[in-house]
Amino acid sequence: AQKVTQAQTEISVVEKEDVTLDCVYETRDTTYYLFWYKQPPSGELVFLIRRNSFDEQNEISGRYSWNFQKSTSSFNFTITASQVVDSAVYFCALSEGYQKVTFGIGTKLQVIP
Amino acid sequence: NAGVTQTPKFQVLKTGQSMTLQCAQDMNHEYMSWYRQDPGMGLRLIHYSVGAGITDQGEVPNGYNVSRSTTEDFPLRLLSAAPSQTSVYFCASSSGVGGTQYFGPGTRLTVL
Repeated sequence: AQKVTQAQTEISVVEKEDVTLDCVYETRDTTYYLFWYKQPPSGELVFLIRRNSFDEQNEISGRYSWNFQKSTSSFNFTITASQVVDSAVYFCALSEGYQKVTFGIGTKLQVIP
Repeated sequence: NAGVTQTPKFQVLKTGQSMTLQCAQDMNHEYMSWYRQDPGMGLRLIHYSVGAGITDQGEVPNGYNVSRSTTEDFPLRLLSAAPSQTSVYFCASSSGVGGTQYFGPGTRLTVL
Protein backbone atom coordinates (compact mmCIF):
# COMPACT_ATOMS: atom_id res chain seq x y z
CA ALA A 1 0.00 0.00 0.00
CA GLN A 2 1.19 3.45 -0.73
CA LYS A 3 1.85 5.86 2.08
CA VAL A 4 2.91 9.48 2.52
CA THR A 5 4.45 10.80 5.72
CA GLN A 6 4.73 14.46 6.58
CA ALA A 7 6.29 14.29 10.00
CA GLN A 8 6.18 18.04 10.66
CA THR A 9 2.62 18.90 11.60
CA GLU A 10 3.33 22.58 12.32
CA ILE A 11 6.29 24.83 11.63
CA SER A 12 6.77 28.48 12.59
CA VAL A 13 9.45 30.65 11.03
CA VAL A 14 10.22 34.32 11.06
CA GLU A 15 9.80 36.13 7.77
CA LYS A 16 12.82 35.86 5.44
CA GLU A 17 13.97 32.60 6.97
CA ASP A 18 14.33 29.54 4.76
CA VAL A 19 12.16 26.55 5.60
CA THR A 20 12.07 22.97 4.37
CA LEU A 21 8.98 20.81 4.49
CA ASP A 22 9.67 17.09 4.55
CA CYS A 23 7.82 14.40 2.65
CA VAL A 24 8.66 10.70 2.77
CA TYR A 25 6.72 8.19 0.72
CA GLU A 26 6.35 4.44 0.40
CA THR A 27 5.46 2.60 -2.77
CA ARG A 28 6.21 -0.71 -4.43
CA ASP A 29 5.70 0.63 -7.93
CA THR A 30 8.52 1.79 -10.14
CA THR A 31 6.23 4.28 -11.90
CA TYR A 32 4.62 6.83 -9.64
CA TYR A 33 3.95 10.54 -9.36
CA LEU A 34 4.52 12.99 -6.55
CA PHE A 35 2.77 16.28 -5.94
CA TRP A 36 2.79 19.25 -3.63
CA TYR A 37 -0.29 21.34 -2.98
CA LYS A 38 -0.78 24.51 -0.96
CA GLN A 39 -3.93 25.24 1.02
CA PRO A 40 -4.03 28.88 2.17
CA PRO A 41 -6.37 30.01 4.95
CA SER A 42 -9.06 30.66 2.34
CA GLY A 43 -9.32 26.88 1.91
CA GLU A 44 -8.73 26.17 -1.77
CA LEU A 45 -6.15 23.62 -2.87
CA VAL A 46 -3.50 25.07 -5.15
CA PHE A 47 -1.28 22.82 -7.24
CA LEU A 48 2.45 23.56 -6.89
CA ILE A 49 4.41 20.80 -8.59
CA ARG A 50 4.21 17.34 -10.13
CA ARG A 51 7.15 14.98 -10.49
CA ASN A 52 7.26 11.49 -12.00
CA SER A 53 9.46 8.73 -10.64
CA PHE A 54 11.80 8.79 -13.60
CA ASP A 55 12.69 12.43 -13.25
CA GLU A 56 14.98 13.03 -10.29
CA GLN A 57 16.00 16.50 -11.33
CA ASN A 58 15.52 19.07 -8.66
CA GLU A 59 13.32 21.98 -9.59
CA ILE A 60 13.36 25.63 -8.68
CA SER A 61 10.52 28.05 -9.23
CA GLY A 62 11.21 31.46 -7.81
CA ARG A 63 11.55 31.10 -4.05
CA TYR A 64 10.32 27.48 -4.17
CA SER A 65 12.51 24.47 -4.76
CA TRP A 66 11.97 20.74 -4.58
CA ASN A 67 14.46 17.99 -3.84
CA PHE A 68 13.46 14.52 -5.07
CA GLN A 69 15.62 11.65 -3.85
CA LYS A 70 14.53 8.13 -4.76
CA SER A 71 17.30 6.62 -2.63
CA THR A 72 15.64 7.97 0.51
CA SER A 73 12.06 8.05 -0.87
CA SER A 74 11.80 11.73 -0.14
CA PHE A 75 10.38 14.72 -1.95
CA ASN A 76 11.17 17.76 0.16
CA PHE A 77 10.00 21.30 -0.46
CA THR A 78 12.05 24.37 0.44
CA ILE A 79 10.83 27.94 0.59
CA THR A 80 13.64 30.47 0.49
CA ALA A 81 13.22 33.86 2.16
CA SER A 82 9.76 33.02 3.45
CA GLN A 83 6.99 35.60 3.33
CA VAL A 84 3.77 35.97 5.29
CA VAL A 85 1.82 34.96 2.17
CA ASP A 86 3.50 31.55 2.38
CA SER A 87 1.51 30.80 5.54
CA ALA A 88 -0.64 27.81 4.61
CA VAL A 89 -1.02 24.09 4.95
CA TYR A 90 1.15 22.20 2.49
CA PHE A 91 0.27 18.71 1.33
CA CYS A 92 2.50 16.14 -0.29
CA ALA A 93 0.72 13.46 -2.37
CA LEU A 94 1.59 10.23 -4.15
CA SER A 95 -0.13 8.58 -7.11
CA GLU A 96 0.58 5.12 -8.42
CA GLY A 97 -1.95 5.52 -11.20
CA TYR A 98 -5.69 5.28 -11.78
CA GLN A 99 -5.97 8.40 -9.67
CA LYS A 100 -5.72 6.56 -6.34
CA VAL A 101 -3.87 9.46 -4.87
CA THR A 102 -2.69 9.32 -1.26
CA PHE A 103 -2.16 12.56 0.62
CA GLY A 104 -0.03 13.22 3.66
CA ILE A 105 -1.70 14.83 6.65
CA GLY A 106 -0.19 18.18 5.77
CA THR A 107 2.29 20.59 7.34
CA LYS A 108 0.94 23.87 8.64
CA LEU A 109 3.45 26.64 8.02
CA GLN A 110 3.18 29.90 9.88
CA VAL A 111 5.42 32.74 8.77
CA ILE A 112 5.67 35.40 11.45
CA PRO A 113 6.30 38.97 10.33
CA ASN B 1 -12.92 28.14 -18.38
CA ALA B 2 -14.48 27.61 -14.94
CA GLY B 3 -12.32 24.59 -14.09
CA VAL B 4 -13.88 22.47 -11.34
CA THR B 5 -17.04 23.80 -9.73
CA GLN B 6 -18.83 22.52 -6.65
CA THR B 7 -22.21 23.31 -5.20
CA PRO B 8 -23.25 24.13 -2.58
CA LYS B 9 -20.42 25.89 -0.72
CA PHE B 10 -22.02 25.27 2.66
CA GLN B 11 -24.68 22.85 3.81
CA VAL B 12 -26.23 21.90 7.14
CA LEU B 13 -28.13 18.62 7.39
CA LYS B 14 -29.92 16.75 10.12
CA THR B 15 -28.98 13.20 10.89
CA GLY B 16 -30.72 10.83 8.49
CA GLN B 17 -31.27 13.33 5.71
CA SER B 18 -29.93 12.66 2.25
CA MET B 19 -28.38 15.08 -0.19
CA THR B 20 -26.23 15.33 -3.29
CA LEU B 21 -23.05 17.35 -3.60
CA GLN B 22 -22.59 18.52 -7.14
CA CYS B 23 -19.31 18.59 -9.03
CA ALA B 24 -18.69 19.64 -12.62
CA GLN B 25 -15.60 20.25 -14.73
CA ASP B 26 -15.21 21.83 -18.13
CA MET B 27 -11.70 20.63 -18.96
CA ASN B 28 -12.79 17.37 -20.63
CA HIS B 29 -10.90 15.41 -17.98
CA GLU B 30 -11.41 11.67 -17.81
CA TYR B 31 -10.63 11.27 -14.15
CA MET B 32 -12.65 12.69 -11.31
CA SER B 33 -12.44 12.08 -7.58
CA TRP B 34 -14.11 12.98 -4.32
CA TYR B 35 -12.15 13.59 -1.13
CA ARG B 36 -13.04 14.53 2.37
CA GLN B 37 -10.77 16.64 4.55
CA ASP B 38 -10.83 16.30 8.31
CA PRO B 39 -8.52 17.98 10.83
CA GLY B 40 -5.27 16.05 11.27
CA MET B 41 -6.13 13.51 8.57
CA GLY B 42 -5.25 15.18 5.30
CA LEU B 43 -7.44 14.37 2.33
CA ARG B 44 -8.97 10.94 2.07
CA LEU B 45 -10.32 9.50 -1.15
CA ILE B 46 -14.02 8.58 -1.06
CA HIS B 47 -14.78 7.52 -4.65
CA TYR B 48 -13.23 8.08 -8.01
CA SER B 49 -14.08 7.64 -11.68
CA VAL B 50 -11.83 6.95 -14.65
CA GLY B 51 -14.48 7.82 -17.21
CA ALA B 52 -18.20 8.04 -17.85
CA GLY B 53 -19.93 4.94 -16.53
CA ILE B 54 -16.92 3.77 -14.49
CA THR B 55 -16.55 4.38 -10.76
CA ASP B 56 -14.65 2.75 -7.95
CA GLN B 57 -14.27 3.02 -4.21
CA GLY B 58 -11.53 4.86 -2.45
CA GLU B 59 -10.34 4.69 1.13
CA VAL B 60 -13.55 5.80 2.90
CA PRO B 61 -16.57 4.96 0.68
CA ASN B 62 -19.11 3.92 3.31
CA GLY B 63 -22.21 6.09 3.41
CA TYR B 64 -21.55 7.64 0.01
CA ASN B 65 -22.71 6.87 -3.51
CA VAL B 66 -21.49 8.12 -6.87
CA SER B 67 -22.34 7.77 -10.51
CA ARG B 68 -20.80 9.21 -13.67
CA SER B 69 -23.23 9.52 -16.53
CA THR B 70 -21.30 12.27 -18.33
CA THR B 71 -17.66 13.30 -18.58
CA GLU B 72 -18.47 16.65 -17.00
CA ASP B 73 -20.41 15.69 -13.87
CA PHE B 74 -19.59 13.56 -10.85
CA PRO B 75 -22.17 13.97 -8.07
CA LEU B 76 -21.63 12.57 -4.56
CA ARG B 77 -24.70 11.32 -2.72
CA LEU B 78 -25.00 11.03 1.02
CA LEU B 79 -27.60 8.35 1.58
CA SER B 80 -28.41 8.95 5.26
CA ALA B 81 -26.28 11.67 6.78
CA ALA B 82 -24.46 11.03 10.05
CA PRO B 83 -22.51 13.44 12.29
CA SER B 84 -19.32 11.54 11.30
CA GLN B 85 -19.80 12.88 7.80
CA THR B 86 -19.28 16.45 8.97
CA SER B 87 -16.31 17.48 6.87
CA VAL B 88 -15.07 19.56 3.97
CA TYR B 89 -15.58 17.80 0.65
CA PHE B 90 -13.41 18.40 -2.37
CA CYS B 91 -13.95 17.27 -5.91
CA ALA B 92 -10.99 16.98 -8.28
CA SER B 93 -10.39 16.18 -11.92
CA SER B 94 -7.35 15.26 -13.99
CA SER B 95 -6.54 14.32 -17.54
CA GLY B 96 -5.16 10.83 -17.01
CA VAL B 97 -3.03 8.44 -15.04
CA GLY B 98 -0.63 10.40 -12.85
CA GLY B 99 -2.03 13.66 -14.13
CA THR B 100 -2.26 16.74 -12.00
CA GLN B 101 -5.50 16.92 -10.08
CA TYR B 102 -7.30 20.24 -10.08
CA PHE B 103 -9.61 20.82 -7.17
CA GLY B 104 -12.93 22.53 -6.76
CA PRO B 105 -13.42 25.15 -4.02
CA GLY B 106 -14.89 22.63 -1.58
CA THR B 107 -18.21 22.12 0.21
CA ARG B 108 -18.34 22.50 3.98
CA LEU B 109 -20.94 20.06 5.31
CA THR B 110 -22.23 19.97 8.86
CA VAL B 111 -24.46 17.14 10.04
CA LEU B 112 -26.32 17.81 13.27
